[in-house]
Amino acid sequence: DTGVSQNPRHKITKRGQNVTFRCDPISEHNRLYWYRQTLGQGPEFLTYFQNEAQLEKSRLLSDRFSAERPKGSFSTLEIQRTEQGDSAMYLCASSLLGVGETQYFGPGTRLLVL
Amino acid sequence: DAKTTQPNSMESNEEEPVHLPCNHSTISGTDYIHWYRQLPSQGPEYVIHGLTSNVNNRMASLAIAEDRKSSTLILHRATLRDAAVYYCILTDFSGGGADGLTFGKGTHLIIQP
Repeated sequence: DTGVSQNPRHKITKRGQNVTFRCDPISEHNRLYWYRQTLGQGPEFLTYFQNEAQLEKSRLLSDRFSAERPKGSFSTLEIQRTEQGDSAMYLCASSLLGVGETQYFGPGTRLLVL
Repeated sequence: DAKTTQPNSMESNEEEPVHLPCNHSTISGTDYIHWYRQLPSQGPEYVIHGLTSNVNNRMASLAIAEDRKSSTLILHRATLRDAAVYYCILTDFSGGGADGLTFGKGTHLIIQP
């Protein structure tokens, strides 16, 4: 088990461009979460999937943000028309549905919008 | 999720025990107490969790007050690698649930050699 992986680890883009990040969860985990973390703050929950179903998306920051998990395995987070305020660390976590479940985090993708 | 209160920072010496407090006076009966930590430039890492009884694992111990309104994370012998931000988080009975984890600012633990 290699844990949660995220790609790319770093992304620099120009304002107005679209970016897509990928998360590969721990293989048997059926829940997958996306968070955003800005400097000096704790991670902020964005959205989550149970298998391929996106069960919570009201916390996505704007309609420029979208996420998919088409086959219930890996997930992608897309930001359209990036803005400088989108610069942050984007974290993915996965867990196995159950009582007191623990989330396991990936290393994150650091986005810089110029 | 119910709110938790932690000190902004704490300092300890290497090889000494560290007690990190967390207050959660509005905890509900089905809330689990989770602790995560985040080392510099890494994603958060699970440390320990509990419901009512004290818990021990290879990383730490969790002491939960009898009224569950506070808890303490205990690192028995701190090393320089324990320097991190420690987050105390309450989750409902089903774990992360629909709202994910609610992180506060946590406690920045500084370890002096």
